[in-house]
Amino acid sequence: DVQMTQSPSNLAASPGESVSIDCKASKTISKYLAWYQQKPGKANKLLIYSGSTLQSGTPSRFSGSGSGTDFTLTIRNLEPEDFGLYYCQQHNEYPPTFGAGTKLELK
Amino acid sequence: EVQLVESGGGLVQPGRSMKLSCAASGFTFSNYGMAWVRQAPTKGLEWVATISYDGSSTYYRDSVKGRFTISRDNAKSTLYLQMNSLRSEDTATYYCTRAGDYGFYFDYWGQGVMVTVSS
Repeated sequence: DVQMTQSPSNLAASPGESVSIDCKASKTISKYLAWYQQKPGKANKLLIYSGSTLQSGTPSRFSGSGSGTDFTLTIRNLEPEDFGLYYCQQHNEYPPTFGAGTKLELK
Repeated sequence: EVQLVESGGGLVQPGRSMKLSCAASGFTFSNYGMAWVRQAPTKGLEWVATISYDGSSTYYRDSVKGRFTISRDNAKSTLYLQMNSLRSEDTATYYCTRAGDYGFYFDYWGQGVMVTVSS
């Protein structure tokens, strides 16, 4: 199975700032990486797939980059609703595998 | 609006069975692959099983192969997960998800249903 390593595990930031979350695959996954947001009481939300393609409805302050084994999710100009958990997931091969998550907290 | 509503969770003893259901609406269910993803308490997300749009193909993670069965009824727009020989490590919130158009990702999620395996 492809192991996905996310960093950092925790991240504190203030509204208006920009943050980046990294995700590293244990082997090449081409461009096939997705990012999700998880918040209490809400359904998980797909933000980005295929590395950099924004899912319909994802605000443009979110962007994804990378290919091969190294990927980054960047959130510019943080809004209050952006705080929560973020997961990466490779969708290049079975089984699909997730990173351990990054908790983005309000500083 | 896409909606996925899970049901059927609860407390079950080790070794027993449980069947989860997911009622889908807001899209043409028979056009999409569907999947179950789970999350153990305080843990990360873990893919469980996927079924193709017509039910002809199914995929499972190794730890549930032979114990879990994913199925669907396109006439009822409903996804199922039959779980047999349950173990304590199956304790988790189970999410019904819709498979993305371009690969093994999940573009819509239900709110999840909790399954607790304990004596």
